[in-house]
Amino acid sequence: GAGVSQSPSNKVTEKGKDVELRCDPISGHTALYWYRQSLGQGLEFLIYFQGNSAPDKSGLPSDRFSAERTGGSVSTLTIQRTQQEDSAVYLCASSFQAHNTGELFFGEGSRLTVL
Amino acid sequence: QKEVEQDPGPLSVPEGAIVSLNCTYSNSAFQYFMWYRQYSRKGPELLMYTYSSGNKEDGRFTAQVDKSSKYISLFIRDSQPSDSATYLCAMSRGGGFVNTDKLIFGTGTRLQVFP
Repeated sequence: GAGVSQSPSNKVTEKGKDVELRCDPISGHTALYWYRQSLGQGLEFLIYFQGNSAPDKSGLPSDRFSAERTGGSVSTLTIQRTQQEDSAVYLCASSFQAHNTGELFFGEGSRLTVL
Repeated sequence: QKEVEQDPGPLSVPEGAIVSLNCTYSNSAFQYFMWYRQYSRKGPELLMYTYSSGNKEDGRFTAQVDKSSKYISLFIRDSQPSDSATYLCAMSRGGGFVNTDKLIFGTGTRLQVFP
């Protein structure tokens, strides 16, 4: 497709389970970002991948969160031992190189509910 | 104190009204300022981008940046029901993620334009 694709669009899980969220960026975009959006909150930066450089993981809230990007394309965000406070919409975005206009292209998000 | 403050609203206005949306920030190093629009259950999309202080106009939309006051605004003229969405301000020190600088978002203001 032409846009950023995320799956699943909705995920309901039980507290303590692990979840994986997938992001397929726009073809040719070298930068990929994960953000989290909770009710009434802004977009919280989680992690950023740029080409072959080491990812910026400074926004990951705990060691239960990890992400990888395989082959410079698809990325997976993994949350281990989920907690209720992890419930949020997880948004993935991509952009072309280190852009100068601030234009991130977002997917529609993965809505995670932890019971 | 958050780096970027934005009134969450909701802001409800009649069709045709002029809408003013605002953000304040604390980091004087911010140079790049953006406005994203997010429709319900969708990812944000870039609406306006400005660098440093000044005004930028695009159709019915005008973005203003006052770095001396650390205050940015988005004006919408002749508002339409289709403008009903959440508007998020975002800013960074570098150009987007140049030098791995993060794009910091406000919480977003929910706007409702009624016919």
